[in-house]
Amino acid sequence: GAGVSQSPRYKVAKRGQDVALRCDPISGHVSLFWYQQALGQGPEFLTYFQNEAQLDKSGLPSDRFFAERPEGSVSTLKIQRTQQEDSAVYLCASSPGATGGRYNSPLHFGNGTRLTVT
Amino acid sequence: QQQVKQSPQSLIVQKGGISIINCAYENTAFDYFPWYQQFPGKGPALLIAIRPDVSEKKEGRFTISFNKSAKQFSLHIMDSQPGDSATYFCAAVYSSASKIIFGSGTRLSIRP
Repeated sequence: GAGVSQSPRYKVAKRGQDVALRCDPISGHVSLFWYQQALGQGPEFLTYFQNEAQLDKSGLPSDRFFAERPEGSVSTLKIQRTQQEDSAVYLCASSPGATGGRYNSPLHFGNGTRLTVT
Repeated sequence: QQQVKQSPQSLIVQKGGISIINCAYENTAFDYFPWYQQFPGKGPALLIAIRPDVSEKKEGRFTISFNKSAKQFSLHIMDSQPGDSATYFCAAVYSSASKIIFGSGTRLSIRP
């Protein structure tokens, strides 16, 4: 009965380093989302998976950002050559159905990974 | 361009009072409007949601009012309690895609 789990909880990276953020969705959930939340702002959509297929990556800010969900469960968000503007909380969410976020398939968010780039 | 505009940015309400948060949208492709509640250090959690074919939805102390012609919707929290102190986000979901667009958030503080 665990919820969405994200690790690490906090990550400090030096500018230019690569980071990998992990998301363990609720078991059996079809849809998985990544959001970026800057301090004092609402979550901004990054990308969406339906099972292992990445159906929408329109929110990824640059080609330094890459996400995968190879077996349709755990997902990893990778950021290459981190920049200070990448500092934010990265939220993962999952939902049971194929149409995530709608009335019959609500989103369940994890508590996020706070990334600080120094 | 901000697709979902939310106001106020912050709000202070006395215990027992009514908290009101407003949102507006432009894109008619949105067809589902959830509200999320977020406590510090936690992810957002679904609070209540509405479809545009109804004008009001109530769940306990929380009510969404929806005005389709004005493209506006609001959250009302009746009998506000200190435990309601959190950041609230309105959101809109596209009918054709699984993408939720969030407002910028309202930090609500309930004074005891």
